Amino acid sequence: EAQVTQNPRYLITVTGKKLTVTCSQNMNHEYMSWYRQDPGLGLRQIYYSMNVEVTDKGDVPEGYKVSRKEKRNFPLILESPSPNQTSLYFCASSYNTATGGYTFGSGTRLTVV
Amino acid sequence: ILNVEQSPQSLHVQEGDSTNFTCSFPSSNFYALHWYRWETAKSPEALFVMTLNGDEKKKGRISATLNTKEGYSYLYIKGSQPEDSATYLCARDTDKLIFGTGTRLQVFP
Repeated sequence: EAQVTQNPRYLITVTGKKLTVTCSQNMNHEYMSWYRQDPGLGLRQIYYSMNVEVTDKGDVPEGYKVSRKEKRNFPLILESPSPNQTSLYFCASSYNTATGGYTFGSGTRLTVV
Repeated sequence: ILNVEQSPQSLHVQEGDSTNFTCSFPSSNFYALHWYRWETAKSPEALFVMTLNGDEKKKGRISATLNTKEGYSYLYIKGSQPEDSATYLCARDTDKLIFGTGTRLQVFP
């Protein structure tokens, strides 16, 4: 089944404890992206990647890192999480965003206390 | 218009009513306009991707139009059903996808 798999679905962590949210797609998509969803603010892009080893900042990159060592994987790293990073996170991928929409993962609800 | 703006923010309609919402966006450096349907507790699902001025797309009872010169797109739902209840997002594609905050539609039986 074609899908974007995010893990974990839910995570509660403490301030400052490094964490990684994994994202993997099995559709050979070139474009991958991370978004966060906060009430009243819509989906805001954190980082995106147009191909292996090519990543770019989105609108809210502060406090996050990403890597794209393989086409299928695009992990989101929070080196020192803070409570303002409590949010719902989505990973998404697309073959070509000008012709096909993004396929979204199931989301990761992160709480930083 | 500097950002992607959607109106109305929310909409309540009766089953069988037809409805439409608007997405406004900066018309410069335009590549594509996306529409997504996002049900509660699920992930957004792509409905349409439109690139050309005057584009019209249709999927069942849902259709969309695009005007790139004036920077707007309309999404229409004909004969709304309770299962159409969701948040409808549009997104402007340049080198990255910028989303509006969505129109939340509730269809009452």
